[in-house]
Amino acid sequence: QVQLQESGPGLVKPLEMLSLTCGVSGTFISSGGYVWSWIRQHPGKGLEWIGYIYHSGTTSYNAPFKRRVMISVDTSKNQFSLKLSSVTAADTAVYFCAREASTGAGYFDPWGQGLLVTVSS
Amino acid sequence: EIVMTQSPATLSVSPGERATLSCRASQSVSSNLAWYQQKAGQAPRLLMYGASTRATGIPARFSGSGSGTEFTLTISSLQSEDFALYYCQQYKNWLSFGGGTKVEIK
Repeated sequence: QVQLQESGPGLVKPLEMLSLTCGVSGTFISSGGYVWSWIRQHPGKGLEWIGYIYHSGTTSYNAPFKRRVMISVDTSKNQFSLKLSSVTAADTAVYFCAREASTGAGYFDPWGQGLLVTVSS
Repeated sequence: EIVMTQSPATLSVSPGERATLSCRASQSVSSNLAWYQQKAGQAPRLLMYGASTRATGIPARFSGSGSGTEFTLTISSLQSEDFALYYCQQYKNWLSFGGGTKVEIK
């Protein structure tokens, strides 16, 4: 089955860049037809969609993140990545990667297990 | 931006009883609504999409209803594994989630 796994540093300094990768197994991103998303969850809080990317590299970002986010895809490695610049303590959260449940669905299944990223000096 | 509001924030229910969770959208999302279940330390699990269609493997005790701006997730007879957080998500206009409802043991 399709599985996703987030990786990256769990600690980032304020004003630096947060960089995470989502490795995909059980399917190929290059097959197309789905969006691949990043979603975050502040500790003890709700979920916040950050953005998504197609296999082609076309992206869409949630407005609050547009000025400092970039999502990219590397089909040769079957992974996609998140970069969030100028982080502050407010960016401390569990970051999930997820795939659209079906082509054009808009809802997500499966999800990665999540990775806690703490912003602190 | 479509704002999703869930109520109540916490629902205390005894095992075997019915639980009714509400989700309201700030503008119509038609039936473009999904529900997720999340347990501590885990990723959300898709329960429902299209407001009322159960995802693969979801037991029949879970049901969803509503359209437009008002939605309901009902768990007909709570089992021990159902005590968790529940989130709604609209996908009509971009993507946004509700703040969640915690279903706890009474």
